[in-house]
Amino acid sequence: GQQLNQSPQSMFIQEGEDVSMNCTSSSIFNTWLWYKQDPGEGPVLLIALYKAGELTSNGRLTAQFGITRKDSFLNISASIPSDVGIYFCAGRQNYGGSQGNLIFGKGTKLSVKP
Amino acid sequence: DAGVIQSPRHEVTEMGQEVTLRCKPISGHDYLFWYRQTMMRGLELLIYFNNNVPIDDSGMPEDRFSAKMPNASFSTLKIQPSEPRDSAVYFCASSLRRAGGNTIYFGEGSWLTVV
Repeated sequence: GQQLNQSPQSMFIQEGEDVSMNCTSSSIFNTWLWYKQDPGEGPVLLIALYKAGELTSNGRLTAQFGITRKDSFLNISASIPSDVGIYFCAGRQNYGGSQGNLIFGKGTKLSVKP
Repeated sequence: DAGVIQSPRHEVTEMGQEVTLRCKPISGHDYLFWYRQTMMRGLELLIYFNNNVPIDDSGMPEDRFSAKMPNASFSTLKIQPSEPRDSAVYFCASSLRRAGGNTIYFGEGSWLTVV
């Protein structure tokens, strides 16, 4: 089946640092979503992208829908301790139609530098 | 606004027992999804409903798994008989189809351990 390659798998952050992660695919997607999952909780939607080239911000978070439609990135500026968690990208190929084919990346785990 | 509500939050059961997970989607949403999350496989779609009708159950692992949605505000995922390899977090999610795209909202999950 289709897969999303999310990287990095994990990273350590120091408070104040900027963070960047991305998802790539060999297939074209029409929707990209970014979720964050805290321990013991379900994924929470951060940003939704629906158009190629779209750049959307949500506070310190910025995400872009790649112009090729095969990738997306998420940036976190000036990270704070509560940013730790697992970030998932998710992509959908069928615009609006088949709701089920939302494919998730394996996640990027953000931890605080010891 | 109430989000997607799942119960139980945690379940520990013995192998062979029946497990029933419950979900109340966000009011007004017309799509409901059941996902399973494990360390090895990440988030996997098991089945989804549109207007209470199952649309795609190709992700359901085997006949031991079944899901129903008797009305717009309730769904169940049943495992009978349960096996240790079914241990995972099961998420219910819902969405509303709209022009321009839609997003899926997750519940807090049901953490299942089969011993």
